[in-house]
Amino acid sequence: SAVISQKPSRDICQRGTSLTIQCQVDSQVTMMFWYRQQPGQSLTLIATANQGSEATYESGFVIDKFPISRPNLTFSTLTVSNMSPEDSSIYLCSVESPRGAADEQFFGPGTRLTVL
Amino acid sequence: SQKIEQNSEALNIQEGKTATLTCNYTNYSPAYLQWYRQDPGRGPVFLLLIRENEKEKRKERLKVTFDTTLKQSLFHITASQPADSATYLCALDTGGFKTIFGAGTRLFVKA
Repeated sequence: SAVISQKPSRDICQRGTSLTIQCQVDSQVTMMFWYRQQPGQSLTLIATANQGSEATYESGFVIDKFPISRPNLTFSTLTVSNMSPEDSSIYLCSVESPRGAADEQFFGPGTRLTVL
Repeated sequence: SQKIEQNSEALNIQEGKTATLTCNYTNYSPAYLQWYRQDPGRGPVFLLLIRENEKEKRKERLKVTFDTTLKQSLFHITASQPADSATYLCALDTGGFKTIFGAGTRLFVKA
């Protein structure tokens, strides 16, 4: 299994500012995923981050709005830039099984973001 | 594109009964289907995976079925307990390493 921690656990931010969310994993993993979950909604994949390469963004998400770093095999950051109230959501970091088998994912506890 | 449908209405059952949750998908059959549990304020926790060539999978009080003809998976919790109260998410692979998730069904087990 993999244990994932996220910082901050929650934050309240002003419109137009940016917030960087950190994700730390207790084992080395190739792929890390960033999701957004709005109240009562499903998890929506924002991007996939591989170490040593640029993140791959899903339709509707762009690098300028959600820049991602992946400096090593245990850490990643997601920045929510120029925030608006529509960005209020829970942001989740996830990794595939450290065994490399794409058959389950482990999730962090999430970062609850409120934008005023 | 692939879509997942889970009953948005909460399921309320009495302790000791079997809870059955439904997951329907609309397009191609995935190579595998997963079920996760999510508690308020927490990330999802993986429970079970069933592959397209498997009809049924069991783990303790949990049972999952996968019907590729109906494009449906059923998730059963037998002898349910109040501690089973949570939101249960269905997830499908879309090829490669991407997974899409349903919105989940909230389960309440009353003592």
